[in-house]
Amino acid sequence: QSALTQPASVSGSPGQSITISCTGTSSDVGSYNLVSWYQQHPAKAPKLMIYEGTIRPSGVSNRFSGSKSGNTASLTISGLQAEDEADYYCCSYAGSSTYVFGTGTKVTVL
Amino acid sequence: QLQLQESGPGLVKPSETLSLTCTVSGGSISSNTYYWGWIRQPPGKGLEWIGSIYYSGSTYYNPSLKSRVTISLDTSKNQFSLKLSSVTAADTAVYYCASIVATTWDYWGQGTLVTVSS
Repeated sequence: QSALTQPASVSGSPGQSITISCTGTSSDVGSYNLVSWYQQHPAKAPKLMIYEGTIRPSGVSNRFSGSKSGNTASLTISGLQAEDEADYYCCSYAGSSTYVFGTGTKVTVL
Repeated sequence: QLQLQESGPGLVKPSETLSLTCTVSGGSISSNTYYWGWIRQPPGKGLEWIGSIYYSGSTYYNPSLKSRVTISLDTSKNQFSLKLSSVTAADTAVYYCASIVATTWDYWGQGTLVTVSS
């Protein structure tokens, strides 16, 4: 069970859109539409941003959207804002009630 | 809305057993709606799933930690617990407890730092 692969860092200017990829295998991301995304500010607990691949929880901005193609899931942040600067982690269900997290991506707002 | 709070020693000696408890409020750990789980994050590193437990007591562990991990429920106190044996410095991390609905980790505790050092 290896960690899902994310880019270490992604940056963008305010107002721009950025996309974070999350690459797994046919045993996790590729087998299930069950990827969730979490935002983590420094010294804070992770916060759920997207679940089941594309669904935003109540209260999460519609600037955040999720998608999947094959073994890769993606999180897009549109209209980038200073408050979006944080670490982002994907998580995939991997069958038999097991989970695997991504390596994490640091988003910087230039 | 669920609230979760981790508690336990912040310092554990090498080779000993790390023990943490997660107290749940706003919902019952006996509900069949939720699984309950533990995740850790070494300083400056990413998140790692440790394991999960269902209201029935069924447990599921990360294969890399399975030989050292035990997760259990205490329904009388609305708590669930983590035990990690034979710890080393590599187990130093912030440990989070969380609830799982379907396959989504939705509510998280604030996390507690556990340092393994003599």
